[in-house]
Amino acid sequence: RKEVEQDPGPFNVPEGATVAFNCTYSNSASQSFFWYRQDCRKEPKLLMSVYSSGNEDGRFTAQLNRASQYISLLIRDSKLSDSATYLCVVNQGGSARQLTFGSGTQLTVLP
Amino acid sequence: DAGVTQSPTHLIKTRGQQVTLRCSPKSGHDTVSWYQQALGQGPQFIFQYYEEEERQRGNFPDRFSGHQFPNYSSELNVNALLLGDSALYLCASSFSEAGLHHFGNGTRLTVT
Repeated sequence: RKEVEQDPGPFNVPEGATVAFNCTYSNSASQSFFWYRQDCRKEPKLLMSVYSSGNEDGRFTAQLNRASQYISLLIRDSKLSDSATYLCVVNQGGSARQLTFGSGTQLTVLP
Repeated sequence: DAGVTQSPTHLIKTRGQQVTLRCSPKSGHDTVSWYQQALGQGPQFIFQYYEEEERQRGNFPDRFSGHQFPNYSSELNVNALLLGDSALYLCASSFSEAGLHHFGNGTRLTVT
């Protein structure tokens, strides 16, 4: 089983749609959680950190459920510029300082 | 304020050759991590350098080695290149080993 699993998509949605991405992680000791965005042939960029209380940044809302080891990202009112691959990322913390990435979910927002 | 810079941008090598990739961290950062991203996959952790020492290593063979210099810049060396080493190699810097990662633009390595 992969440490971080995501639905690879692709998700093709019209402009203005709401889209949700899900992710599960296998290590219950994981401590930090993130969503990164990666445009085609570019480097990953931090979109937002994810907290147990849930957090929102404009049109983006992230949720963490530690009991279910589940992370989600909701994008409201999708824009063409949201088209990218969204990577679910986990940091186990403690002595393990590396980031563990899911394979990414590809989103295309259509005009 | 320069972000993370990597060189070269692209590289083509032949199977069996050796390659060195370079990374300069963001100003103020002291830790460098290297990742390999194959096509259609998420980045995979190779290793992390802090205080000029390898602190953590992912599941990569000894053909992958690295170095960190006193100015915090880093090199990734890959020996005896295989076709499967073709990938985007990403360098990420952070302040301290647990800090937020900032990624460079990557080096795209093609092994023929």
